[in-house]
Amino acid sequence: SQQGEEDPQALSIQEGENATMNCSYKTSINNLQWYRQNSGRGLVHLILIRSNEREKHSGRLRVTLDTSKKSSSLLITASRAADTASYFCATTNFNKFYFGSGTKLNVKP
Amino acid sequence: DGGITQSPKYLFRKEGQNVTLSCEQNLNHDAMYWYRQDPGQGLRLIYYSQIVNDFQKGDIAEGYSVSREKKESFPLTVTSAQKNPTAFYLCATAEGLAGGVNTGELFFGEGSRLTVL
Repeated sequence: SQQGEEDPQALSIQEGENATMNCSYKTSINNLQWYRQNSGRGLVHLILIRSNEREKHSGRLRVTLDTSKKSSSLLITASRAADTASYFCATTNFNKFYFGSGTKLNVKP
Repeated sequence: DGGITQSPKYLFRKEGQNVTLSCEQNLNHDAMYWYRQDPGQGLRLIYYSQIVNDFQKGDIAEGYSVSREKKESFPLTVTSAQKNPTAFYLCATAEGLAGGVNTGELFFGEGSRLTVL
């Protein structure tokens, strides 16, 4: 399976701290994406990084990609209580999207 | 408003019944996907369609069926052959392929929660 796997499965931090989540995958990819899911809702796209990129920023988000290690990380800086959600990485190979099992982030006010 | 509408939001089914989950989009996207999510789990691909009148099985297609008669609609039927259908079902769309490669993001509906009684 090409499915990505996130680490850690759960993360609890205080507001203002940084949160780092990691994703590993198994096969070659076209791009890697990160999504957020609030409890009981659909997923929302956060950021996409292409296979030829190493780092990308969007607001308080920073994503890195290491294709040699088949891994990516998502950093959320200066976290807020509203960042509490599950975060998923998704890899794409041509016309399919594969999701990991997610990291559940809890930001305590 | 542009978006993806899934209905119903909650659905209860007796064992042995077929149920159909609706997914409608007005984003003019070519590709549509159905995913299943179990508690605390990631998303698993059931079926996907890149173009009208064509669809392919995903990783867990057994016990499910779909149709793609219109670009805007991609209904999913959960049949009685699906042994453990209680789950959260998510429909998603993407713009489509460029040179055989999907280069964009997925847009998700709000999901349908199916419970078998």
